[in-house]
Parts: sequence; structure tokens; C-alpha cells
Amino acid sequence: AAGVIQSPRHLIKEKRETATLKCYPIPRHDTVYWYQQGPGQDPQFLISFYEKMQSDKGSIPDRFSAQQFSDYHSELNMSSLELGDSALYFCASSSRGGTYEQYFGPGTRLTVT
Amino acid sequence: QKEVEQDPGPLSVPEGAIVSLNCTYSNSAFQYFMWYRQYSRKGPELLMCTYSSGNKEDGRFTAQVDKSSKYISLFIRDSQPSDSATYLCAMRRISFGNEKLTFGTGTRLTIIP
Repeated sequence: AAGVIQSPRHLIKEKRETATLKCYPIPRHDTVYWYQQGPGQDPQFLISFYEKMQSDKGSIPDRFSAQQFSDYHSELNMSSLELGDSALYFCASSSRGGTYEQYFGPGTRLTVT
Repeated sequence: QKEVEQDPGPLSVPEGAIVSLNCTYSNSAFQYFMWYRQYSRKGPELLMCTYSSGNKEDGRFTAQVDKSSKYISLFIRDSQPSDSATYLCAMRRISFGNEKLTFGTGTRLTIIP
């Protein structure tokens, strides 16, 4: 079965640079979620989108923005990167018309130097 | 105090043993309860999703929910070395626009051959 696709899988950036992470949800899933997981920590919710509209917002820094496009893929834009932004970034998707289960992608490992 | 508490372990058991993983939560608004398995540097993999109080079984895995005590458990029977991973409990509210998952800190499990 098709899963959530994330790209790139690894990204190395310098401080103050910009990064864009992409997420392609499972086909027919209409909701996308972004989570950040620091080393040894549990995933922390950043933001979610349903039908291209922001549906929920967590502890996402103002330097970050995200959107969902008409084909339901989503992008997380991160500007003025800081060393503390180094983490695994996961995208998850679900279908409101189905169950409430969220399926996670493989993640993007961001390293800020 | 975190909304979801989970014993971080580490937990080591011999192959074939029954494993019990537990989480407690404080927010009675949580209505959906999930267990994820996460291998090192990989995305969380959904194992079980439950709504009602009671037991739900899937192969070697049994999820148990006690809403009156705000306590959930995951049991793994006939544990295998391939079950060695970090197990995360997660829960969410039921309302639209409030769908983010709140995770426990994860329990690192090692099955000893």
C-alpha cells in the first residue's frame, strides 16, 4: 500500500539559511500534519491542514510556515534556521471520512550547522 | 506535568516473554488512543488504534483502554527480537480542528534472543 512520502530525506543547512520540506500524503487522505522530533524526544505537533486550510496549530515558530496545495501535498518552509532546529521532521496524513488514524512518513532529518 | 506520561524504560525482556507497556493521561478530552512503534531514525509505525474502553487484539498485540482510570496499555505476546524498538503511546481529541496527537515520551524495548 502507498505510504506517506517525504523529501528530502536528509538536509544539511547553515544557520540563517532557509529550508523547504515536502510531504505527499497517502492517496485520498485529505489531512496533513507536521511534527518535529528532537533527539531522544517524542514528536511535537507543529501544524495541520485539512482541504488546504490550516486546521490546527501547535508550537510552530513564527519563522516557519506551511501550506497544503490543491493536490494535497504540503510544504513546510523554515527560515532563519537556528542550531536548535536540527531534528527529525515528520509528516503524517489521515482521512476525515475514514478513521482517525494518522500514518507517518519516514521523516526528513534536518541538520543545521 | 505532561498530559501523557509513559515510563521511558529502557525495558529488556527475553525472547518469548509477554511485554506490558503503559501510559497514563490527565486530559479526559482524549478519546482516541494509539500505539506506535518507532525504530531508530525511522518514522513512527501505527500498531493499534482504539476508541472505547476495553481490549482490542491484533495478532500478537493487545491494546487495553481504561478511560475511568485514564490508563492505557499495550501487550505484546511471544515477543521477538524484531520487536526491539521504541514504543510511543499517542492520543487525540475527537473534535475537528483539534486532531493533533499528543505523545508519551516513548519506552525503549529490547528483546533479548
